[in-house]
Amino acid sequence: SQKIEQNSEALNIQEGKTATLTCNYTNYSPAYLQWYRQDPGRGPVFLLLIRENEKEKRKERLKVTFDTTLKQSLFHITASQPADSATYLCALDTSGGYNKLIFGAGTRLAVHP
Amino acid sequence: DTGVSQDPRHKITKRGQNVTFRCDPISEHNRLYWYRQTLGQGPEFLTYFQNEAQLEKSRLLSDRFSAERPKGSFSTLEIQRTEQGDSAMYLCASSPSSGVGELFFGEGSRLTVL
Repeated sequence: SQKIEQNSEALNIQEGKTATLTCNYTNYSPAYLQWYRQDPGRGPVFLLLIRENEKEKRKERLKVTFDTTLKQSLFHITASQPADSATYLCALDTSGGYNKLIFGAGTRLAVHP
Repeated sequence: DTGVSQDPRHKITKRGQNVTFRCDPISEHNRLYWYRQTLGQGPEFLTYFQNEAQLEKSRLLSDRFSAERPKGSFSTLEIQRTEQGDSAMYLCASSPSSGVGELFFGEGSRLTVL
């Protein structure tokens, strides 16, 4: 079955530094991959989508890479701020375009002033 | 655009009781999804609809769970004879029917089974 792995331990970084989160997957070849942010007690909020033929995607301070050979995506937040503290979820479409997403467990990011 | 809304936001029930959650998707979205999330885990897929048709159900969705979307608009998720293991956040999401894209999630319905 498909498996998605994200850093299980919380990531603690200093304000202003770059946070890098990892998403690894097995037993699947997704056409695209998505990243979501989730705050405690709230629903996930979409951040970025990257397709298999895109190596990198940027949005403001966010950057996502997608390596289909390594079966890995990296999510970067540059110039991090305490407001970036949240859980970040990686998700793959396993339905060939019906947006049926399978999520990783998420990585909790804490940015300290 | 009022977003995806879910009701109730919180539900506490005793084991063995039935509960029903309602989801109102973004009005022009044809696809609707239900997920379940427990503490420290990502959302787990339960089922999804294209208009009123239920296209897939996860093996997680036991016979005690039933979801409907009778007119292709709002959806309900019913859990019969609740068990303590059903305690979780139930998330609803919607998306347009045209191809690849993001899911728009509601704030979830938190269920506690005593």
